[in-house]
Amino acid sequence: QKEVEQDPGPLSVPEGAIVSLNCTYSNSAFQYFMWYRQYSRKGPELLMYTYSSGNKEDGRFTAQVDKSSKYISLFIRDSQPSDSATYLCAANTGNQFYFGTGTSLTVIP
Amino acid sequence: NAGVMQNPRHLVRRRGQEARLRCSPMKGHSHVYWYRQLPEEGLKFMVYLQKENIIDESGMPKERFSAEFPKEGPSILRIQQVVRGDSAAYFCASSQIVGQETQYFGPGTRLLVL
Repeated sequence: QKEVEQDPGPLSVPEGAIVSLNCTYSNSAFQYFMWYRQYSRKGPELLMYTYSSGNKEDGRFTAQVDKSSKYISLFIRDSQPSDSATYLCAANTGNQFYFGTGTSLTVIP
Repeated sequence: NAGVMQNPRHLVRRRGQEARLRCSPMKGHSHVYWYRQLPEEGLKFMVYLQKENIIDESGMPKERFSAEFPKEGPSILRIQQVVRGDSAAYFCASSQIVGQETQYFGPGTRLLVL
């Protein structure tokens, strides 16, 4: 079983839609949970992180962690074509970071 | 403040040659991580280094791969006697504090082994 599991998609939504991206994880020792955005042929860019359970909001993005069910979510409101990218969830314990395989998102104008 | 820099961005090698990938962390960052990304497989941790020390190399193949982060200069990921299966994107990330959630990635080096 992978440490962090993520549905690869692809996911295609119309502009303005609410996007929900999800991951599950297996290691209850994970403390920090991150979402990265990666454009084609670029390095991952940190979008948001949360510590332990709870929600965190930043503009159109909301990250949610439910440690009881080991579930990580990223919500994107009013999605834009510029949001089209691959989204990677990640979790860490100590110095090791574990990444999901990424979900490819396309927002259609 | 320059971000994480990696070079070369693209590297082509023939089987059996050596590949050297360089990473300069963000200013003020003393922790460097190397990852390999293959299509459909996501980012895989390889090694974590601090200046002059390898802290965790549990994700790095035992043979042909080595990494260093000298006191002066960039971190180097070295792959000896490359094989076709080494073709991948290699990313370097840096952070200011170990285990910190804010790990910043470079643009990657795309290695193609012919």
